[in-house]
Amino acid sequence: EAQVTQNPRYLITVTGKKLTVTCSQNMNHEYMSWYRQDPGLGLRQIYYSMNVEVTDKGDVPEGYKVSRKEKRNFPLILESPSPNQTSLYFCASSLAGIAGGSTDTQYFGPGTRLTVL
Amino acid sequence: RKEVEQDPGPFNVPEGATVAFNCTYSNSASQSFFWYRQDCRKEPKLLMSVYSSGNEDGRFTAQLNRASQYISLLIRDSKLSDSATYLCVVNNNAGNNRKLIWGLGTSLAVNP
Repeated sequence: EAQVTQNPRYLITVTGKKLTVTCSQNMNHEYMSWYRQDPGLGLRQIYYSMNVEVTDKGDVPEGYKVSRKEKRNFPLILESPSPNQTSLYFCASSLAGIAGGSTDTQYFGPGTRLTVL
Repeated sequence: RKEVEQDPGPFNVPEGATVAFNCTYSNSASQSFFWYRQDCRKEPKLLMSVYSSGNEDGRFTAQLNRASQYISLLIRDSKLSDSATYLCVVNNNAGNNRKLIWGLGTSLAVNP
């Protein structure tokens, strides 16, 4: 089954304790992206990756890191989480990074609900 | 002005009703447009792309008005299962990034 998976789905942690949220897709998609979703602010892009070893900042990258060593995986790293990073996080992938037609469809993972105390 | 604006609702309609949502965008150079559906606390899923000539998928019709810079979504014969938040998405294709700009969503509740 074509899908994007994220782990963990729920996480409660404390300020400063490094954590990683994994994201994996089995659709051979080139483009992957991380979003956070907060009430009243909608979906905001954190980082994106056009392909292996190619990553770049989105709109709200502060406090986050990513890596893209393999095409299928795009982990999100919080080196020193803070309470303002409490949010719902989505990983997404799509076939390519160029606009046009069905290749624009973003497939989302189920989300990771993170609480930083 | 926000790049993508939607009426947050909620729209409360009875089963069988027809309901329409609009979404305005500020960048006249925007190239692609989409409607996504998001159920409570779940991931967004593509409902339909919006083409220049307008397009229909079953009970759903999407239209684009470039002159006035808005897209619309019409839902006919509403079902209880249509209750969700509908997200308007615009692709500004900024350089190499798939610069998707997401609206905050319009909430729809279909009542029995």
